Amino acid sequence: EVQLVQSGAEVKKPGESLRISCKGSAYSFTSYWISWVRQMPGKGLEWMGRIDPSDSYINYSPSFQGHVTISIDQSISTAYLQWSSLKASDTAMYYCARSDSTGFYPGDYWGQGTLVTVSS
Amino acid sequence: QSVLTQPPSASGTPGQRVTISCSGIISNIGSNYVFWYQQLPGTAPKVLIYRNNQRPSGVPDRFSASKSGTSASLAISGLRSEDEADYYCAAWDDSLSGVIFGGGTKLTVL
Repeated sequence: EVQLVQSGAEVKKPGESLRISCKGSAYSFTSYWISWVRQMPGKGLEWMGRIDPSDSYINYSPSFQGHVTISIDQSISTAYLQWSSLKASDTAMYYCARSDSTGFYPGDYWGQGTLVTVSS
Repeated sequence: QSVLTQPPSASGTPGQRVTISCSGIISNIGSNYVFWYQQLPGTAPKVLIYRNNQRPSGVPDRFSASKSGTSASLAISGLRSEDEADYYCAAWDDSLSGVIFGGGTKLTVL
């Protein structure tokens, strides 16, 4: 069964760094892009960017470019979302999703979400 | 601020037909596929409709969608209590080079 399993909830202070993960299983990890989607408390979905696991090509949303880093480790079928200096406004649920066959859209498999809370 | 415009809420009684609209522009809906996602309370979103009007296996045929020009719509017929959820449209935007979501529509089954 195809699965994307994300790392657990995090509580951090402003200014701290963080990396959350998304591990794929039961499919060819390099064959499908991985997207990251943010959902702030009580708000809608926001696409952050996507990465091609086969060559690590990354496409960021202009809204998130420069604020987060998306990366991949093919050897362990894991995608990452990283912050170097968190802000309170980064408090949100973050989802990873496997792309559809076009590679552009979050598709049929999503992680369970990682809740990130940033508070002093 | 969402680039795709959806009504914030919709409602209906069991058995009714409800439609949710999604409005964009030429660079997104006008040029690319529309996807629809359903997010049940406390869960991750799931694809309800892909490539404008295709249903993944397992999605009931009560759910249908269409696209015309720079607008799209999702229709739910035979409304059921378990359809109560948030619904989001999404499209690739050529100008932004990214996926944009609508603001979401909260569907209430009365």
